[in-house]
Amino acid sequence: ILNVEQSPQSLHVQEGDSTNFTCSFPSSNFYALHWYRWETAKSPEALFVMTLNGDEKKKGRISATLNTKEGYSYLYIKGSQPEDSATYLCALVENNRLAFGKGNQVVVIP
Amino acid sequence: ETGVTQTPRHLVMGMTNKKSLKCEQHLGHNAMYWYKQSAKKPLELMFVYNFKEQTENNSVPSRFSPECPNSSHLFLHLHTLQPEDSALYLCASSRRTGWGETQYFGPGTRLLVL
Repeated sequence: ILNVEQSPQSLHVQEGDSTNFTCSFPSSNFYALHWYRWETAKSPEALFVMTLNGDEKKKGRISATLNTKEGYSYLYIKGSQPEDSATYLCALVENNRLAFGKGNQVVVIP
Repeated sequence: ETGVTQTPRHLVMGMTNKKSLKCEQHLGHNAMYWYKQSAKKPLELMFVYNFKEQTENNSVPSRFSPECPNSSHLFLHLHTLQPEDSALYLCASSRRTGWGETQYFGPGTRLLVL
């Protein structure tokens, strides 16, 4: 079973501040990495699918980078807003299925 | 709205009950999934269906029985569950199975087994 580590597990951010967090994974046999955003009482929502080393993807104020050689992906939130409060899930592809991390729980303080 | 609905949203059942969870997707997808999330654990894949055929059973106990009558509907039949089966059960769908495919999730059913 693929070990997908997300850190920190939770973080509090002041509104307007930028923040980032990490998804770490074994660098061998990499196929793809997915990021999802999961607000409380809602459905997890796909953010990015990343496949190539050096990939950078952006959606509004949220962006992600990928380093497959060293086995990590960063997710950045620029100018955090209260609506960014959610758990951000990272998932790696293993045997054609998604192996999820426990998530990064972000709370933006107004 | 992701286009994937789940009913009921909450369910309380006794260990001797039989109940079913329902999932429906309106996205024209061909693959559907059941996941389980227990407290402080990652999302855990249970079953995968591709074009109505079960392609994955992730060593799930037989008290959980999935059914996929067509590509739009997925059920999870529950029978003689244990308290440790209390969790959030999420359904997802994708165009097809495959490592690059984005999965679209429902909001989940919060299950409590007494």
